[in-house]
Amino acid sequence: KAGVTQTPRYLIKTRGQQVTLSCSPISGHRSVSWYQQTPGQGLQFLFEYFSETQRNKGNFPGRFSGRQFSNSRSEMNVSTLELGDSALYLCASSNAGGAKNIQYFGAGTRLSVL
Amino acid sequence: GNSVTQMEGPVTLSEEAFLTINCTYTATGYPSLFWYVQYPGEGLQLLLKATKADDKGSNKGFEATYRKETTSFHLEKGSVQVSDSAVYFCALSDQVAGKSTFGDGTTLTVKP
Repeated sequence: KAGVTQTPRYLIKTRGQQVTLSCSPISGHRSVSWYQQTPGQGLQFLFEYFSETQRNKGNFPGRFSGRQFSNSRSEMNVSTLELGDSALYLCASSNAGGAKNIQYFGAGTRLSVL
Repeated sequence: GNSVTQMEGPVTLSEEAFLTINCTYTATGYPSLFWYVQYPGEGLQLLLKATKADDKGSNKGFEATYRKETTSFHLEKGSVQVSDSAVYFCALSDQVAGKSTFGDGTTLTVKP
């Protein structure tokens, strides 16, 4: 079974630009969550999608948005990039996203904002 | 809200030494607890899990026991190898669907 696939692996953007990151979950998984990982803040929850609906959202500004498609693939978009958005963005998928469900992570997309 | 506290790192050990990484948590309800490992340039890999009090998770020689009375989930390994060098994260499943709360991570370096 293929794991969680994130593309691209690396991105370099400049301030003010926007970026779209993609995540393909494990086959059969319907929940996709996004996290931001930085040295200063650690791993922070961005949002979670289940069956094309955003169920939960972390404390990030509206510049961070996402969506999920009918095949459970998810995209995350960041508009008007700031230097502080430089981070490793991790996607995780799980069966149903409940409290007892294990999350499986992709390798991440490393975003550098210049 | 929920929180996870890990012992501060980094931790440096010699090969075959005993490893303990402390983890305590604060949570409402009865979360599942996890240890994840992150190798350089990679995402998080699930190392082990425990879903209820007194459960012991184990994998690749690592163990951790879900202690509700002390709200702890310490990671242990009897004999570490150089290949165990990585960052280890303690985490709990939040009541918020699809969300896990993570500790700050502990960097382990094992020297030959």
